[in-house]
Amino acid sequence: SQTIHQWPATLVQPVGSPLSLECTVEGTSNPNLYWYRQAAGRGLQLLFYSVGIGQISSEVPQNLSASRPQDRQFILSSKKLLLSDSGFYLCALSRTGSYEQYFGPGTRLTVT
Amino acid sequence: KNQVEQSPQSLIILEGKNCTLQCNYTVSPFSNLRWYKQDTGRGPVSLTIMTFSENTKSNGRYTATLDADTKQSSLHITASQLSDSASYICVVSLGSRGSTLGRLYFGRGTQLTVWP
Repeated sequence: SQTIHQWPATLVQPVGSPLSLECTVEGTSNPNLYWYRQAAGRGLQLLFYSVGIGQISSEVPQNLSASRPQDRQFILSSKKLLLSDSGFYLCALSRTGSYEQYFGPGTRLTVT
Repeated sequence: KNQVEQSPQSLIILEGKNCTLQCNYTVSPFSNLRWYKQDTGRGPVSLTIMTFSENTKSNGRYTATLDADTKQSSLHITASQLSDSASYICVVSLGSRGSTLGRLYFGRGTQLTVWP
């Protein structure tokens, strides 16, 4: 079965600092990968998804970006964090032909 | 506008009791509806997935129902346990012809607390 790793688990960053969150998956090949954000008291919001290496689709305009340098690696980045970037960031995967999405353990980001 | 609304926002029940959570959606075209359980500070875990042709699906003490005509779903939890305390999220997938990469619409979740 597949496993999703997210690093770091928690992060506190000042406004204006850069960000890099990493998601790596094991146990599956060529997965669809997703980045979600969950703000306090809000539902999950899809930020990016990727169907393959170097293929990134953005769902909402923002100061975040995503990259997929390897089949099983998905990175969320920002050059300058905003207070509104605080939240719980979740990486997820799905397999081609399956509706099921599996979520990672998440990264709690606090921008101060 | 495609939306997913859940009720109640929060619910407190005693251990051993049953409860039902509601989900109404306006997503169209519809592909499938999912219920997830999310423990505090953890990623969501799938409980059930139902497509248009399915009107009920069970996973242990969890039973989900779907009425695609009225665009309503419910999640029934039987004989609740303390470990059922979590947020339960309803997710509806937009139909995408020939693809499982349908756009997902998330409800805000129902926060369930089970007291001993």
